[in-house]
Amino acid sequence: GDSVTQMEGPVTLSEEAFLTINCTYTATGYPSLFWYVQYPGEGLQLLLKATKADDKGSNKGFEATYRKETTSFHLEKGSVQVSDSAVYFCALYGGAQKLVFGQGTRLTINP
Amino acid sequence: DAGITQSPRHKVTETGTPVTLRCHQTENHRYMYWYRQDPGHGLRLIHYSYGVKDTDKGEVSDGYSVSRSKTEDFLLTLESATSSQTSVYFCAISDTVTSGDPGEQFFGPGTRLTVL
Repeated sequence: GDSVTQMEGPVTLSEEAFLTINCTYTATGYPSLFWYVQYPGEGLQLLLKATKADDKGSNKGFEATYRKETTSFHLEKGSVQVSDSAVYFCALYGGAQKLVFGQGTRLTINP
Repeated sequence: DAGITQSPRHKVTETGTPVTLRCHQTENHRYMYWYRQDPGHGLRLIHYSYGVKDTDKGEVSDGYSVSRSKTEDFLLTLESATSSQTSVYFCAISDTVTSGDPGEQFFGPGTRLTVL
């Protein structure tokens, strides 16, 4: 079945550092790909999405490119801030109302 | 923010007791979902609904039942709670009419359930 694998966390960075969180997927067909973010004590929020190969999703300085050849959707940000501290989830939608999540990566940014 | 509320927000109960969690939306979205969030597992789908009285099982449905008698309400019931059901439960909604993509879901604030 469909699955998503994220890099192990937690990840700790200093403010203004470059961020990469790796995400790879296994799916039949051509899924849509998503990054969701969960701030402390809250539900998940959609951060960005890409619906087909080579699409780039972007929001709030974060970017991710749908790479079909490597089945990846890595999340990047050029300069992180303390307010980016959260748990990040990679997810895919392959149909039948089933959104499949990775295990989540906890990110902590130190001032 | 999408209008989604969950109640209760926190609950402690004992093994063997029935528990019902409520999700209420004001967005008139067609699809509603119940997930559980556990460390190392991300979010896993328990049940979902695609309309009033229309529901289907997700990945981890054993021990759970759901009901949807109105568009705005989706109930999750643990008939006889067990310690393995201690988790954080999230409700989500989606609607392809507004977002065009069923993977774009809006989440409630969650319910933390502890089963002793």
